[in-house]
Amino acid sequence: EDKVVQSPLSLVVHEGDTVTLNCSYEVTNFRSLLWYKQEKKAPTFLFMLTSSGIEKKSGRLSSILDKKELFSILNITATQTGDSAVYLCAVEGNAGNMLTFGGGTRLMVKP
Amino acid sequence: NAGVMQNPRHLVRRRGQEARLRCSPMKGHSHVYWYRQLPEEGLKFMVYLQKENIIDESGMPKERFSAEFPKEGPSILRIQQVVRGDSAAYFCASSMGQNYGYTFGSGTRLTVV
Repeated sequence: EDKVVQSPLSLVVHEGDTVTLNCSYEVTNFRSLLWYKQEKKAPTFLFMLTSSGIEKKSGRLSSILDKKELFSILNITATQTGDSAVYLCAVEGNAGNMLTFGGGTRLMVKP
Repeated sequence: NAGVMQNPRHLVRRRGQEARLRCSPMKGHSHVYWYRQLPEEGLKFMVYLQKENIIDESGMPKERFSAEFPKEGPSILRIQQVVRGDSAAYFCASSMGQNYGYTFGSGTRLTVV
C-alpha cells in the first residue's frame, strides 16, 4: 500500500522566517510527487516533481525530490501571513488512477 | 474556464437520509476523481471515473456509496442512509488523463446530524 508521511504536523513561524516542509513516501512504481496548498477551499497546485535533484521554483517557494531516499522538501523563504495554510504532499503511482496524500503540514505565519 | 465546480458547497443531512454531491469537471477533462477528507486528516482516494465508466473504486466503501459520470451532466457521488461518520469534506478533481495533473474543486462539506 502506498504511503506518504509529512512532517512536521504543524509549524508556527513569524513573517520573514524560512520554513522547510518534509515529505517521505513509499509507493509502487513511482510516477510523480505533487505539492498542494490548501486554505479553506480547494487544494491549489504548487509543484509536480518527477526527476531527482532538479529544483522547481515559483517565487518564494521551491521544491526538490530525492528518489533514492524517497523524500521531497518544500521550502518557503521570507514567509508572509498569506502563506498560512495546510501544505499537502501526494504521490502518484504508475497506475495513474489516484493520488495518495500525506496528512499535511499546517503552517501558521504570525505578523 | 470555470474550473472544477462542485455543489452544493455545504450539505446538512439527518441520519438515514441520502446525500447527492455533484461535480462538473473542467472543460476538456474527461477523468474525474473523488476524494474524502475527514477532519484533521489528509485526502483519501475514493473513486476514479471516465465518461460512463467506473475505472477504479478501490477506495469507496462497499455499502451505501455509489458514483457515476454519465455521458451528459456532472459526476454524482451518492451516499445512501448517511451516518455521522460520513461527515467530511468531499473533493472532486478532474484531469485530461495521465501525465496531465489534477485540478481540484472547492469541495462539498457534508454534515450529518
